[in-house]
Amino acid sequence: DSGVTQTPKHLITATGQRVTLRCSPRSGDLSVYWYQQSLDQGLQFLIQYYNGEERAKGNILERFSAQQFPDLHSELNLSSLELGDSALYFCASSVHGDTEAFFGQGTRLTVV
Amino acid sequence: SQQGEEDPQALSIQEGENATMNCSYKTSINNLQWYRQNSGRGLVHLILIRSNEREKHSGRLRVTLDTSKKSSSLLITASRAADTASYFCATDREYGNKLVFGAGTILRVKS
Repeated sequence: DSGVTQTPKHLITATGQRVTLRCSPRSGDLSVYWYQQSLDQGLQFLIQYYNGEERAKGNILERFSAQQFPDLHSELNLSSLELGDSALYFCASSVHGDTEAFFGQGTRLTVV
Repeated sequence: SQQGEEDPQALSIQEGENATMNCSYKTSINNLQWYRQNSGRGLVHLILIRSNEREKHSGRLRVTLDTSKKSSSLLITASRAADTASYFCATDREYGNKLVFGAGTILRVKS
């Protein structure tokens, strides 16, 4: 158990819908990362937060947004969902931005 | 584009043999990390090597880093069937914060 909790584990939704993925980092970790893993794109960095502020942005679509709350948990919001958004979404946390990251078990999103 | 590129893409070996995976990257880094992922599961951190280190060991794992060639290798000695997984390198660019992962090497250890 990495100490990073992601909910839900599985999500099936229809195209055009909006979903929210939730991540609770390890106790004491200030940095939260979101990644998308699909078969054709591999593991793609989406966004990073550090102590509530956006720190780095990757290949995150405009339809996607995220935030980190004062209690350090984070949410990833995906809207106007398309079939191609089906993927595993991972959250990871680390103490700082340059130390080892601990991954949650992921949320498997299926858009039908 | 990916910062780290692993090589080979896939590797199949017999139990007891050694497995070597390579990673190349493009920009200066603070550190390089190796992770393992069992099918459909979260990634597990294996080892971190800083840019001023050349070699690091952890159990059956040995990692080397050559910053002049912008490359790293992960050696798993005396492999076991349980080592079957995908292995990823990740880099944290100098003055950067985000971890950027390569496409991974799929390792299959046959018993």
